[in-house]
Amino acid sequence: NAGVTQTPKFQVLKTGQSMTLQCAQDMNHEYMSWYRQDPGMGLRLIHYSVGAGITDQGEVPNGYNVSRSTTEDFPLRLLSAAPSQTSVYFCASSYSIEGSAKNIQYFGAGTRLSVL
Amino acid sequence: AQSVTQLDSHVSVSEGTPVLLRCNYSSSYSPSLFWYVQHPNKGLQLLLKYTSAATLVKGINGFEAEFKKSETSFHLTKPSAHMSDAAEYFCVVSEGGTYKYIFGTGTRLKVLA
Repeated sequence: NAGVTQTPKFQVLKTGQSMTLQCAQDMNHEYMSWYRQDPGMGLRLIHYSVGAGITDQGEVPNGYNVSRSTTEDFPLRLLSAAPSQTSVYFCASSYSIEGSAKNIQYFGAGTRLSVL
Repeated sequence: AQSVTQLDSHVSVSEGTPVLLRCNYSSSYSPSLFWYVQHPNKGLQLLLKYTSAATLVKGINGFEAEFKKSETSFHLTKPSAHMSDAAEYFCVVSEGGTYKYIFGTGTRLKVLA
Protein backbone atom coordinates (compact mmCIF):
# COMPACT_ATOMS: atom_id res chain seq x y z
CA ASN A 1 0.00 0.00 0.00
CA ALA A 2 1.29 3.46 -0.90
CA GLY A 3 -1.07 5.13 1.63
CA VAL A 4 -1.88 8.77 0.81
CA THR A 5 0.01 10.21 -2.14
CA GLN A 6 0.19 13.93 -2.88
CA THR A 7 1.57 15.58 -5.98
CA PRO A 8 3.39 17.82 -6.58
CA LYS A 9 5.69 18.16 -3.57
CA PHE A 10 6.56 21.77 -4.40
CA GLN A 11 4.92 24.41 -6.56
CA VAL A 12 5.47 28.08 -7.27
CA LEU A 13 2.63 30.07 -8.82
CA LYS A 14 2.09 33.64 -9.87
CA THR A 15 -0.88 35.56 -8.55
CA GLY A 16 -3.96 34.73 -10.61
CA GLN A 17 -2.74 31.39 -11.92
CA SER A 18 -4.76 28.26 -11.37
CA MET A 19 -3.61 24.78 -10.44
CA THR A 20 -4.76 21.47 -9.01
CA LEU A 21 -3.16 19.67 -6.09
CA GLN A 22 -3.59 15.94 -6.45
CA CYS A 23 -4.36 13.48 -3.67
CA ALA A 24 -4.87 9.74 -3.99
CA GLN A 25 -5.28 6.97 -1.42
CA ASP A 26 -5.29 3.19 -1.86
CA MET A 27 -6.83 2.18 1.48
CA ASN A 28 -10.48 2.31 0.35
CA HIS A 29 -11.19 5.05 2.89
CA GLU A 30 -14.50 6.86 2.64
CA TYR A 31 -13.33 10.08 4.27
CA MET A 32 -10.82 12.40 2.67
CA SER A 33 -9.85 15.93 3.61
CA TRP A 34 -7.58 18.82 2.77
CA TYR A 35 -5.82 20.96 5.35
CA ARG A 36 -3.53 23.92 5.15
CA GLN A 37 -0.71 24.43 7.65
CA ASP A 38 0.48 27.91 8.49
CA PRO A 39 3.04 28.84 11.17
CA GLY A 40 1.52 29.06 14.64
CA MET A 41 -1.94 28.01 13.46
CA GLY A 42 -1.82 24.23 13.35
CA LEU A 43 -3.74 22.54 10.56
CA ARG A 44 -7.00 24.04 9.38
CA LEU A 45 -9.60 22.10 7.44
CA ILE A 46 -10.32 23.43 3.93
CA HIS A 47 -12.75 20.87 2.45
CA TYR A 48 -13.69 17.30 3.16
CA SER A 49 -15.57 14.42 1.60
CA VAL A 50 -17.35 11.44 3.15
CA GLY A 51 -17.60 9.51 -0.09
CA ALA A 52 -17.67 9.73 -3.87
CA GLY A 53 -19.93 12.57 -5.00
CA ILE A 54 -20.15 14.14 -1.52
CA THR A 55 -18.10 17.15 -0.45
CA ASP A 56 -18.46 19.85 2.17
CA GLN A 57 -16.68 22.94 3.39
CA GLY A 58 -14.36 23.07 6.34
CA GLU A 59 -13.07 26.00 8.33
CA VAL A 60 -11.26 27.90 5.53
CA PRO A 61 -12.86 26.99 2.16
CA ASN A 62 -12.67 30.34 0.34
CA GLY A 63 -10.56 30.27 -2.83
CA TYR A 64 -10.58 26.48 -3.10
CA ASN A 65 -12.75 23.97 -4.93
CA VAL A 66 -12.90 20.19 -4.60
CA SER A 67 -14.65 17.27 -6.23
CA ARG A 68 -14.77 13.55 -5.47
CA SER A 69 -15.59 11.48 -8.52
CA THR A 70 -13.91 8.30 -7.22
CA THR A 71 -13.19 6.86 -3.77
CA GLU A 72 -9.46 7.06 -4.41
CA ASP A 73 -8.98 10.65 -5.59
CA PHE A 74 -9.69 14.02 -4.02
CA PRO A 75 -8.11 16.92 -5.95
CA LEU A 76 -7.94 20.47 -4.59
CA ARG A 77 -8.27 23.30 -7.09
CA LEU A 78 -7.05 26.85 -6.74
CA LEU A 79 -8.92 28.84 -9.38
CA SER A 80 -7.03 32.14 -9.03
CA ALA A 81 -4.08 31.88 -6.69
CA ALA A 82 -3.40 34.64 -4.17
CA PRO A 83 -0.33 35.25 -1.97
CA SER A 84 -2.51 34.45 1.07
CA GLN A 85 -2.68 30.88 -0.21
CA THR A 86 1.04 30.38 0.27
CA SER A 87 1.08 27.45 2.67
CA VAL A 88 1.77 23.77 3.11
CA TYR A 89 -1.18 21.62 2.09
CA PHE A 90 -1.91 18.19 3.50
CA CYS A 91 -4.36 15.59 2.32
CA ALA A 92 -5.65 12.95 4.73
CA SER A 93 -7.96 9.96 4.63
CA SER A 94 -9.70 7.67 7.09
CA TYR A 95 -12.63 5.36 7.61
CA SER A 96 -15.78 7.23 8.56
CA ILE A 97 -17.64 4.87 10.84
CA GLU A 98 -19.52 6.71 13.61
CA GLY A 99 -17.98 6.02 17.00
CA SER A 100 -15.29 3.78 15.59
CA ALA A 101 -11.73 3.51 16.84
CA LYS A 102 -10.76 2.97 13.21
CA ASN A 103 -11.32 6.65 12.39
CA ILE A 104 -7.62 7.46 12.35
CA GLN A 105 -6.52 9.91 9.71
CA TYR A 106 -3.51 9.09 7.56
CA PHE A 107 -1.66 12.03 6.06
CA GLY A 108 0.20 12.55 2.84
CA ALA A 109 3.67 14.10 2.78
CA GLY A 110 2.35 17.54 1.86
CA THR A 111 2.61 20.07 -0.96
CA ARG A 112 4.55 23.28 -0.37
CA LEU A 113 2.92 26.06 -2.38
CA SER A 114 4.30 29.55 -2.87
CA VAL A 115 2.22 32.23 -4.60
CA LEU A 116 4.21 35.24 -5.75
CA ALA B 1 -18.13 22.88 20.20
CA GLN B 2 -14.82 21.16 20.25
CA SER B 3 -11.51 22.89 20.76
CA VAL B 4 -8.01 22.01 21.81
CA THR B 5 -5.35 24.18 23.43
CA GLN B 6 -1.68 23.35 23.46
CA LEU B 7 -0.33 25.33 26.34
CA ASP B 8 3.25 25.75 25.11
CA SER B 9 4.29 26.75 21.62
CA HIS B 10 7.94 25.83 22.30
CA VAL B 11 9.51 23.40 24.76
CA SER B 12 13.25 22.82 25.22
CA VAL B 13 14.68 19.87 27.15
CA SER B 14 18.11 18.34 27.51
CA GLU B 15 18.75 14.91 26.04
CA GLY B 16 17.98 12.23 28.61
CA THR B 17 15.54 14.37 30.62
CA PRO B 18 11.74 13.95 30.74
CA VAL B 19 9.42 15.50 28.18
CA LEU B 20 6.01 17.02 29.00
CA LEU B 21 3.84 18.54 26.28
CA ARG B 22 0.55 19.89 27.58
CA CYS B 23 -2.84 19.71 25.92
CA ASN B 24 -6.29 20.71 27.17
CA TYR B 25 -9.46 20.01 25.26
CA SER B 26 -13.09 21.05 25.20
CA SER B 27 -15.73 18.66 23.95
CA SER B 28 -19.45 18.25 24.44
CA TYR B 29 -19.41 14.49 23.92
CA SER B 30 -17.02 11.65 24.51
CA PRO B 31 -13.94 12.75 22.66
CA SER B 32 -11.31 10.82 20.82
CA LEU B 33 -7.88 12.35 21.33
CA PHE B 34 -4.71 11.96 19.34
CA TRP B 35 -1.12 13.10 19.32
CA TYR B 36 0.64 13.46 15.98
CA VAL B 37 4.30 14.24 15.35
CA GLN B 38 5.73 16.14 12.41
CA HIS B 39 9.45 16.06 11.75
CA PRO B 40 10.91 18.92 9.69
CA ASN B 41 9.59 18.97 6.14
CA LYS B 42 7.68 15.74 6.68
CA GLY B 43 4.05 14.69 6.94
CA LEU B 44 2.21 13.88 10.14
CA GLN B 45 2.66 10.57 11.92
CA LEU B 46 0.29 9.21 14.56
CA LEU B 47 2.00 8.82 17.96
CA LEU B 48 -0.95 7.56 19.98
CA LYS B 49 -4.71 7.73 20.39
CA TYR B 50 -7.30 7.64 23.14
CA THR B 51 -10.72 6.26 22.24
CA SER B 52 -12.43 5.61 25.61
CA ALA B 53 -10.53 2.50 26.57
CA ALA B 54 -7.63 2.71 29.05
CA THR B 55 -6.94 6.27 30.23
CA LEU B 56 -3.16 5.77 30.04
CA VAL B 57 -2.25 5.34 26.42
CA LYS B 58 1.10 4.10 25.20
CA GLY B 59 2.36 5.13 21.80
CA ILE B 60 5.37 4.71 19.61
CA ASN B 61 8.94 5.71 20.48
CA GLY B 62 8.35 5.59 24.24
CA PHE B 63 5.68 8.29 24.36
CA GLU B 64 2.55 8.00 26.46
CA ALA B 65 -0.39 10.22 27.36
CA GLU B 66 -2.98 10.17 30.12
CA PHE B 67 -6.60 11.13 29.58
CA LYS B 68 -7.90 13.05 32.61
CA LYS B 69 -11.57 13.86 32.20
CA SER B 70 -11.78 15.92 35.39
CA GLU B 71 -8.99 18.19 34.17
CA THR B 72 -9.95 17.95 30.46
CA SER B 73 -6.31 17.23 29.72
CA PHE B 74 -4.34 14.84 27.54
CA HIS B 75 -0.69 15.62 28.21
CA LEU B 76 2.06 13.83 26.31
CA THR B 77 5.09 12.52 28.21
CA LYS B 78 8.30 10.62 27.65
CA PRO B 79 10.70 9.63 30.43
CA SER B 80 13.91 10.39 28.54
CA ALA B 81 14.24 12.65 25.52
CA HIS B 82 16.31 11.65 22.53
CA MET B 83 17.74 13.97 19.88
CA SER B 84 15.48 12.33 17.30
CA ASP B 85 12.41 13.54 19.26
CA ALA B 86 13.00 17.10 18.07
CA ALA B 87 9.88 17.86 16.04
CA GLU B 88 6.52 19.57 16.17
CA TYR B 89 3.74 17.83 18.06
CA PHE B 90 0.03 18.31 17.51
CA CYS B 91 -2.80 17.45 19.88
CA VAL B 92 -6.04 16.61 18.07
CA VAL B 93 -9.61 16.09 19.23
CA SER B 94 -12.51 14.51 17.41
CA GLU B 95 -15.93 14.40 18.96
CA GLY B 96 -17.68 11.14 19.68
CA GLY B 97 -15.32 9.09 17.54
CA THR B 98 -16.13 10.98 14.38
CA TYR B 99 -13.62 11.46 11.62
CA LYS B 100 -13.56 15.28 11.83
CA TYR B 101 -10.41 16.51 13.52
CA ILE B 102 -9.73 19.76 15.36
CA PHE B 103 -6.01 20.52 15.66
CA GLY B 104 -4.13 22.38 18.32
CA THR B 105 -1.64 24.99 17.20
CA GLY B 106 1.33 22.72 17.84
CA THR B 107 4.28 22.52 20.23
CA ARG B 108 7.79 22.61 18.86
CA LEU B 109 10.10 20.39 20.90
CA LYS B 110 13.80 21.17 20.94
CA VAL B 111 16.23 18.65 22.42
CA LEU B 112 19.56 20.01 23.60
CA ALA B 113 22.73 17.90 23.59
